Amino acid sequence: NAGVTQTPKFRILKIGQSMTLQCAQDMNHNYMYWYRQDPGMGLKLIYYSVGAGITDKGEVPNGYNVSRSTTEDFPLRLELAAPSQTSVYFCASSHLWGGSYNEQFFGPGTRLTVL
Amino acid sequence: DAKTTQPNSMESNEEEPVHLPCNHSTISGTDYIHWYRQLPSQGPEYVIHGLTSNVNNRMASLAIAEDRKSSTLILHRATLRDAAVYYCILRDGDAGGTSYGKLTFGQGTILTVHP
Repeated sequence: NAGVTQTPKFRILKIGQSMTLQCAQDMNHNYMYWYRQDPGMGLKLIYYSVGAGITDKGEVPNGYNVSRSTTEDFPLRLELAAPSQTSVYFCASSHLWGGSYNEQFFGPGTRLTVL
Repeated sequence: DAKTTQPNSMESNEEEPVHLPCNHSTISGTDYIHWYRQLPSQGPEYVIHGLTSNVNNRMASLAIAEDRKSSTLILHRATLRDAAVYYCILRDGDAGGTSYGKLTFGQGTILTVHP
């Protein structure tokens, strides 16, 4: 298994540009998550999904959009990039079913700089 | 969400045991105690979790106080590869709750391991 993969690894955007951060997992996990991590800080949840077609906001959703059309993929869209969105973005997945919980598996991250 | 309190940093020598404390005085009956760690330039990885009883796995041990208001992650013999940020997180175990499946990361404890 490749686990959780993210592309790209690095990206520099200009203010106002748009981009999509890709995330895929091959573990058939139902839950997927997007986090951002600012320097020296812990991770903050942006959006999450409990299955294909179902998404919900996390702690810091403003400026982002998500969709989940398949179990495997959970892309994160930035529509109008702002300097405040400079951060490292992590995607994660886990399997939750009927009260049974397995740990979250994280991808390697995408380092985004907005200038 | 119930909060956790951890020391900002700790230091250890290689091959010595490390005890990483975490206070969670407002823990509820359905909260699980999770530990994740984040190595430099990587995404977080799961370490261990528990509810009431002490837990052991190949990576670490988790000691939970009888009143559940504190816990300690124990690395039995620290290695240089254990240098990381360690996060203590409370996860809502109520499958009907709005925060089920979500993790809230604090700033964690930076563990430095000296050769």
